Amino acid sequence: EDQVTQSPEALRLQEGESSSLNCSYTVSGLRGLFWYRQDPGKGPEFLFTLYSAGEEKEKERLKATLTKKESFLHITAPKPEDSATYLCAVQTRSSNTGKLIFGQGTTLQVKP
Amino acid sequence: GAVVSQHPSRVICKSGTSVKIECRSLDFQATTMFWYRQFPKQSLMLMATSNEGSKATYEQGVEKDKFLINHASLTLSTLTVTSAHPEDSSFYICSASGGGARETQYFGPGTRLLVL
Repeated sequence: EDQVTQSPEALRLQEGESSSLNCSYTVSGLRGLFWYRQDPGKGPEFLFTLYSAGEEKEKERLKATLTKKESFLHITAPKPEDSATYLCAVQTRSSNTGKLIFGQGTTLQVKP
Repeated sequence: GAVVSQHPSRVICKSGTSVKIECRSLDFQATTMFWYRQFPKQSLMLMATSNEGSKATYEQGVEKDKFLINHASLTLSTLTVTSAHPEDSSFYICSASGGGARETQYFGPGTRLLVL
């Protein structure tokens, strides 16, 4: 069964304290891995797509990496405005609709 | 980036009534739209996938007669919750993609439904 697991469930950081969020996946065949950010009461906001092991993408203080078993979202010198829930999702080769399988998310709180 | 809107953002209704939620892709053609439901402090649960001009595909356990989905154009999909009950109260989110297995899904802002 295709599965996505995110860790930790919750993470508290001081402003400027860098860290990483993990997304482990077990799928029959990976087509793509997606990272989204979700603020309370809002829909997810697209951050990155990664398609193959070794691929990396960056946006401001965020950097996403991908291996054959997991993805990391690195947050460098976070600011309070980075506080949100970060969702990881995968598309599998067995789906022709682009259906996403989501992890449970990591809720990040950055304190000033 | 691609923009997806939802209307209404919040709705309160009486038990037994029906509620329609609209999802629109504002600056791209959405061949495929998805409807999700999200409970507090939980991740998104896919309810159904719809392609323009064809019947929606529902996930296991989702009642298709209760959650009616219409995708009549490349920019609009609607979800109608029929004969709503308090247990249908939830956060409903749609997403849209240009179609194809590798396309990114862009999400709407969500609709908060409260059934009294």
